[in-house]
Amino acid sequence: AQRVTQPEKLLSVFKGAPVELKCNYSYSGSPELFWYVQYSRQRLQLLLRHISRESIKGFTADLNKGETSFHLKKPFAQEEDSAMYYCALRRAGFNKFYFGSGTKLNVKP
Amino acid sequence: GAGVSQSPSNKVTEKGKDVELRCDPISGHTALYWYRQSLGQGLEFLIYFQGNSAPDKSGLPSDRFSAERTGGSVSTLTIQRTQQEDSAVYLCASSTGTITEAFFGQGTRLTVV
Repeated sequence: AQRVTQPEKLLSVFKGAPVELKCNYSYSGSPELFWYVQYSRQRLQLLLRHISRESIKGFTADLNKGETSFHLKKPFAQEEDSAMYYCALRRAGFNKFYFGSGTKLNVKP
Repeated sequence: GAGVSQSPSNKVTEKGKDVELRCDPISGHTALYWYRQSLGQGLEFLIYFQGNSAPDKSGLPSDRFSAERTGGSVSTLTIQRTQQEDSAVYLCASSTGTITEAFFGQGTRLTVV
């Protein structure tokens, strides 16, 4: 069965510090991995997906099939990065998204 | 419309009453999803529509929950005989298919008192 695990419910860092939000998944096939973000009082929105291999708002995420991980990283956190972050998996060719339980990132001034 | 629209944005209901939550997906999006977001619980999958059919309704918590989609567009999630544990934010999302991300609505905050 597919599963997405985000081990940290809350992550607090100081502004300017590096941040890494962990995401591990279980799926034996070819996954598509996504990071979604929900800022306060806003709707859930896509941050980035692994197939794009892009950097959005300074965030990057690399799919590591050996470790079945898709950790989200940013070298220098900003206060405006404070939000709820969800990792999601979709099986290639299928529509259903599997979401992790989310990590709340708090960037302190 | 420009995005996924959900109504109402807030709903307070008495225990035992039935409620209907509505989702208007982005025009042309064939896939539609319902999720439930509870405090500290992340996103719980409820049901997925492809067109008007629901190939995966495995996440519906009980037979009090049902959903339908008509005309390949609007979807309604119905909760019968609401219970306090049904209180949550219900999110709807839509996508064009298997190569795009899901776009989410603002959600309906349901409070059962």
